[in-house]
Amino acid sequence: RKEVEQDPGPFNVPEGATVAFNCTYSNSASQSFFWYRQDCRKEPKLLMSVYSSGNEDGRFTAQLNRASQYISLLIRDSKLSDSATYLCVVTYNNAGNMLTFGGGTRLMVKP
Amino acid sequence: GAGVSQSPSNKVTEKGKDVELRCDPISGHTALYWYRQSLGQGLEFLIYFQGNSAPDKSGLPSDRFSAERTGGSVSTLTIQRTQQEDSAVYLCASRRTSGSGTDTQYFGPGTRLTVL
Repeated sequence: RKEVEQDPGPFNVPEGATVAFNCTYSNSASQSFFWYRQDCRKEPKLLMSVYSSGNEDGRFTAQLNRASQYISLLIRDSKLSDSATYLCVVTYNNAGNMLTFGGGTRLMVKP
Repeated sequence: GAGVSQSPSNKVTEKGKDVELRCDPISGHTALYWYRQSLGQGLEFLIYFQGNSAPDKSGLPSDRFSAERTGGSVSTLTIQRTQQEDSAVYLCASRRTSGSGTDTQYFGPGTRLTVL
C-alpha cells in the first residue's frame, strides 16, 4: 500500500463547477500536510498548506482529518487555468522534512 | 529573486554511461533535496542535505547513485552506469530552515534524463 494515496482521475469538469479531491495517508506520524500543483512538464509548486482547523485561500479550501488520516481539497468556481495535477503531500516527524507525495489527481476544466 | 535552477534541462545518454546533474538552490536555503519523477509515477525522495550534516541517503535506489553538495550550496547528483529504468525527471528542491515559512520546499524545473 502506498503511503499517500489519491484517485488519479482525470476529473473532467465544466468551468464554474465545484470539485473535490481526497487523499489518504497511512502513517499516523505524519506531521505536515500540503497540496502542490503540477502543470504538464513543469515542477510542482506549493498550492497551500493544510491545517487541522481547515483553511481557505480564495476559491480553494483544504481540510485535514487526523483521526481518519484524510486530507481534502475543494475548488469552487473552477477556471480553465485550474487544469493541472494536484499532489497531496505529507511530511513525517523527522529532521529532514522530506516530502512524501501521492500520485496526484489530474483535473481538466473544460469550457 | 532567483529560484532553484537545474542543469542541464534535458540529457540523453546511452546505457552504461555516467551522468551528472546540477542544482543551484535558492541563496540562503540550507536544506537541499533531490527527488525523481518517473513516467506515470509519483515523485520519490532520493537524498537530503542539511548544512554541514551528513546527508540522508535513504532514498537512493542503488549504489550507482550518489550526490555531493559543495560549500553548502551547489549540489551534483551523479548516476553511474546508467540503466534505462533511470529515465525520469530529476527534481531538486531547497528550503529555508529558519524564520517563517520554513516548511515550504521550492522546486527547480528539473532535468529530464533519457537513457537509450
